[in-house]
Amino acid sequence: GAGVSQSPRYKVAKRGQDVALRCDPISGHVSLFWYQQALGQGPEFLTYFQNEAQLDKSGLPSDRFFAERPEGSVSTLKIQRTQQEDSAVYLCASSPRRSGVGEKLFFGSGTQLSVL
Amino acid sequence: ELKVEQNPLFLSMQEGKNYTIYCNYSTTSDRLYWYRQDPGKSLESLFVLLSNGAVKQEGRLMASLDTKARLSTLHITAAVHDLSATYFCAVDPTFTSGTYKYIFGTGTRLKVLA
Repeated sequence: GAGVSQSPRYKVAKRGQDVALRCDPISGHVSLFWYQQALGQGPEFLTYFQNEAQLDKSGLPSDRFFAERPEGSVSTLKIQRTQQEDSAVYLCASSPRRSGVGEKLFFGSGTQLSVL
Repeated sequence: ELKVEQNPLFLSMQEGKNYTIYCNYSTTSDRLYWYRQDPGKSLESLFVLLSNGAVKQEGRLMASLDTKARLSTLHITAAVHDLSATYFCAVDPTFTSGTYKYIFGTGTRLKVLA
């Protein structure tokens, strides 16, 4: 496809469940970002990949959050033992080159996670 | 820590009127982005500003960047209902900052009334 694809679009989890969110960036894009967006707020940075290397994970809120991009394309954000405060929209974004060179991000439609 | 602040947070305006949204950021950067988000949708890039004094225009929207003042503005001319959305500015890191984050502002929710 031409854009960034995320799945599932909606996910409802019971508290304590593990979830996995998938991001399929635009083909050939070097940079991949994960953001968390709470209702009525701006996107908050979670983590950044340059190809398969996770260069910045300073935004991950706890060790229950884990992200990977093993082959430098598709990425998965995993949340273990979900809590209610994890409820948010998780956005994935990619860009053609590495971070810091002045390129806009292309965003996916997001995964809306609701933890009950 | 880099902070990006927008004002106003909420803006309700009549069709045909002009208004400006402000974006202030707290550290050195000469790269500033504006995005639009419609309700329930993802973010769409509007403008990329890459130097001091940069000005970009698209339709009724014009964005500018003053890196010395660490300020960007998004000016709306003769607003129409279709411009109703939330607008975010974002700043990306410098090469020497040691971080890779694009930091987003708080957002300005714009409602244009007919």
